[in-house]
Amino acid sequence: QVQLQESGPGLVRPSETLSLTCTVSNFSISSNFFWGWVRQPPGKGLEWIGSIFHFGTTYSNPSLKSRVVMSVDTSKNHFSLSLSSVTAADTALYYCARRHYASGLLDYWGRGLLVTVSS
Amino acid sequence: EIVMTQSPGTLSLSPGETATLSCRASQAISSNYVAWYQQRPGQAPRLLVYGPSSRATGIPDRFSGSGSGTDFTLTISRLEPEDFAVFYCQQYGSSPYTFGQGTKLEIK
Repeated sequence: QVQLQESGPGLVRPSETLSLTCTVSNFSISSNFFWGWVRQPPGKGLEWIGSIFHFGTTYSNPSLKSRVVMSVDTSKNHFSLSLSSVTAADTALYYCARRHYASGLLDYWGRGLLVTVSS
Repeated sequence: EIVMTQSPGTLSLSPGETATLSCRASQAISSNYVAWYQQRPGQAPRLLVYGPSSRATGIPDRFSGSGSGTDFTLTISRLEPEDFAVFYCQQYGSSPYTFGQGTKLEIK
């Protein structure tokens, strides 16, 4: 069973950079899948952030693209998200997920990590 | 960006009944790439149905998806207590991949 686990700080100050890591278990991150991020503000719906292939190819939501950087570390079987210049609007549950190669289908998800942006 | 609109916002039904959830896209979805996810309180979304009528691994046949073009439906028959949750549709054919705002299925 593929398992994903988000990690990172739960509190980030405004204007700083949010950095999260997703560790994948029981499945090689170098396989033919993308690895993605989705967020959910408290009490609201889901927003796709972006995804990355192990070669480094990335796709990001245009609404966030200028602030998003993603990376993959195949030696640690994990991938990461950085979101710069955060504001209170970036407060959300951040999920990592496995994305099918030829489409945006997300079939395995992590449990999510709440990140609060506050001074 | 494709906008996905779900209806109704809330659906109140009793166990044993059938739920019909709708999702309408602002433009035709490439290859009918629409998925449905269930999110129980405090849990991550779980993939139910995709493509639009294929069930994910381990999903009972009480869950069925249908539709094409811009209109898609998730049907849940013989509702069980654990089915009550929030359901999201997603189009995954065109980036940025977008979700509907959700339908809450609650016990009547």
